[in-house]
Amino acid sequence: DQQVKQNSPSLSVQEGRISILNCDYTNSMFDYFLWYKKYPAEGPTFLISISSIKDKNEDGRFTVFLNKSAKHLSLHIVPSQPGDSAVYFCAASDDYKLSFGAGTTVTVRA
Amino acid sequence: DTGVSQDPRHKITKRGQNVTFRCDPISEHNRLYWYRQTLGQGPEFLTYFQNEAQLEKSRLLSDRFSAERPKGSFSTLEIQRTEQGDSAMYLCASSLARLQETQYFGPGTRLLVL
Repeated sequence: DQQVKQNSPSLSVQEGRISILNCDYTNSMFDYFLWYKKYPAEGPTFLISISSIKDKNEDGRFTVFLNKSAKHLSLHIVPSQPGDSAVYFCAASDDYKLSFGAGTTVTVRA
Repeated sequence: DTGVSQDPRHKITKRGQNVTFRCDPISEHNRLYWYRQTLGQGPEFLTYFQNEAQLEKSRLLSDRFSAERPKGSFSTLEIQRTEQGDSAMYLCASSLARLQETQYFGPGTRLLVL
């Protein structure tokens, strides 16, 4: 069963605008959430994370928001840049293993 | 470079052959994980080690799969009698053994079974 879902398989955004990626989860035991970025033929690269005791974490152009009651998190990228074009995975942890969503492909248009 | 490394990066094999992949984690990390990723999906957990002990195995890890981490440093993942359905990207990750620690991934080994 898919415990982490990314319902938008793709997102196209103009350079300089905001990219918003969404993720939903079902397991209330998840206590740590991460976003990874992946280029073709490479492994996932860690972007940003958030603990379940917080509702927002910011790192440069990347901000992650967590709504525990809705079991929903989102990643905001502002401003979007051409190098941000990649597949983004949402992941959730309940101690040791990560459960991943299927990914959202982001394309940043010049 | 002190990141996670994997070898080989690519492997093409014929059905029925055995293959072995190696992962070298970040040196101070005592947890090591194996994941598998197929096209259009996110990575799926296979197994993990804390030091040399294998602590959890997914039901995805059939009896044709075996993983070892003999000295608590590098790890190997062996697939015996490969099947076409084993074709995937095999990813290794490592982390410290603390709560809410980030897992860092290697570049992966892409396996194609003909």
